[in-house]
Amino acid sequence: AQTVTQSQPEMSVQEAETVTLSCTYDTSESDYYLFWYKQPPSRQMILVIRQEAYKQQNATENRFSVNFQKAAKSFSLKISDSQLGDAAMYFCAYRSPYSGAGSYQLTFGKGTKLSVIP
Amino acid sequence: GAGVSQSPSNKVTEKGKDVELRCDPISGHTALYWYRQSLGQGLEFLIYFQGNSAPDKSGLPSDRFSAERTGGSVSTLTIQRTQQEDSAVYLCASSLRAVPTNEQYFGPGTRLTVT
Repeated sequence: AQTVTQSQPEMSVQEAETVTLSCTYDTSESDYYLFWYKQPPSRQMILVIRQEAYKQQNATENRFSVNFQKAAKSFSLKISDSQLGDAAMYFCAYRSPYSGAGSYQLTFGKGTKLSVIP
Repeated sequence: GAGVSQSPSNKVTEKGKDVELRCDPISGHTALYWYRQSLGQGLEFLIYFQGNSAPDKSGLPSDRFSAERTGGSVSTLTIQRTQQEDSAVYLCASSLRAVPTNEQYFGPGTRLTVT
């Protein structure tokens, strides 16, 4: 079974600065999908960015980018020019590409609470 | 178009009572997922539907939990004889199909408190 670990329960960043959230995962699969989700106080999970493991290029979405290190099974999220609206819980998630039991679900880490200081 | 909706937004119930949580997926989405988010924990998978059938019920924590989906649309998660450890946020998500390349869109969740 796959596991996802987020070792930073809480992080803080000054507005306009850059912050990196860490995520590691364990899997025996060679191909898979990785995600970062944002959960603001409204509770609604919002997809921030996704990465396909077969792609060597790191995904970017505006101010959000990832550092995907497949050999190290590491998938960190970098937020540049942090804004007050970035304050939320951030969850790293894994999804298998194969059919079969457990392949359709997302496996989540426990999350990192990000605070943005004005 | 409307996103995934869930009702009620919050539910407080007494231990031992049954509760029903409702999820209304995005129109046209054939796959629907239920997750549970307990305090201090990540999200844990409960069950998913492709159409009206639930191929994977492996995440349901006990036989007190059940779910159904009718008409390929609305789903209901039922918890019988609720216990305090059932207190959590129950999140529902839907996707176009149950394939890994289809994004899962989440609803705002139902916060269940068992007293």
